[in-house]
Amino acid sequence: DGGITQSPKYLFRKEGQNVTLSCEQNLNHDAMYWYRQDPGQGLRLIYYSQIVNDFQKGDIAEGYSVSREKKESFPLTVTSAQKNPTAFYLCASRRNNEQFFGPGTRLTVL
Amino acid sequence: AQTVTQSQPEMSVQEAETVTLSCTYDTSESNYYLFWYKQPPSRQMILVIRQEAYKQQNATENRFSVNFQKAAKSFSLKISDSQLGDTAMYFCAFMGGGSGNTGKLIFGQGTTLQVKP
Repeated sequence: DGGITQSPKYLFRKEGQNVTLSCEQNLNHDAMYWYRQDPGQGLRLIYYSQIVNDFQKGDIAEGYSVSREKKESFPLTVTSAQKNPTAFYLCASRRNNEQFFGPGTRLTVL
Repeated sequence: AQTVTQSQPEMSVQEAETVTLSCTYDTSESNYYLFWYKQPPSRQMILVIRQEAYKQQNATENRFSVNFQKAAKSFSLKISDSQLGDTAMYFCAFMGGGSGNTGKLIFGQGTTLQVKP
C-alpha cells in the first residue's frame, strides 16, 4: 500500500534533549511538509521541501531543523532551542494540488 | 499574506440533520484552491472536499457540499444527513495556485463538530 508513515506515534523527551521525528513516503511525491498542531489552533507550517536536497523554512521554523537526502524521507529534528515543543506533528506529501497526511507523532516534553 | 478564519469553535447537530460550517479567507491571488479536511479522534487528516477558485460550480462529494462565494471570500461546508461518524474537527485550508506555488496549506483554527444521536 502506498502512503505516508510517521514514527513513533508517541514520543517523550526530557527538556534540553534533541529528538528526531521520522516521516517516510512511498508515493513518489517530490514535495513534503511538516506541520505542528496545538490545541485550539490549526496546523502551522514548520518546514517544507519541494525537491531532494532542498528545503525552506515555514512560518514557525525556529528551534527545528530538517534534511532531505532522499525523496522518500523528510525527518524533522526538534532541538533544545524550541521553547514549547510539546505538540502533535504531522507530515504530508503533495501531488499536484493535493496534500496527503501521515498519522502524526505526539511529542511530549517532560 | 493569506489568512483563513473559522469563526465557529464548536458546533453540534442531531443525527440526520444538516449543518453548515463557515470559513472566510483573505488573499490577493486570483488562482488558488480551497479545502475542507476532517480530523476524527484518531487525528488522521482526511480530505473531505476541494474547490478550484477558477470553477464557478460548487464542489459536491456525496453528503458534503460547499458554498463558494469568491467575491465575498467565503467557503462554507454543508453536511447533509449528518451521521455519528461525522463527529470530528473540521479544518478549512487555502493553497495558492499561481506560478511559483509552493503547495503549502494555510489552515483555519478548526471547528469541532459533534453529531448527537
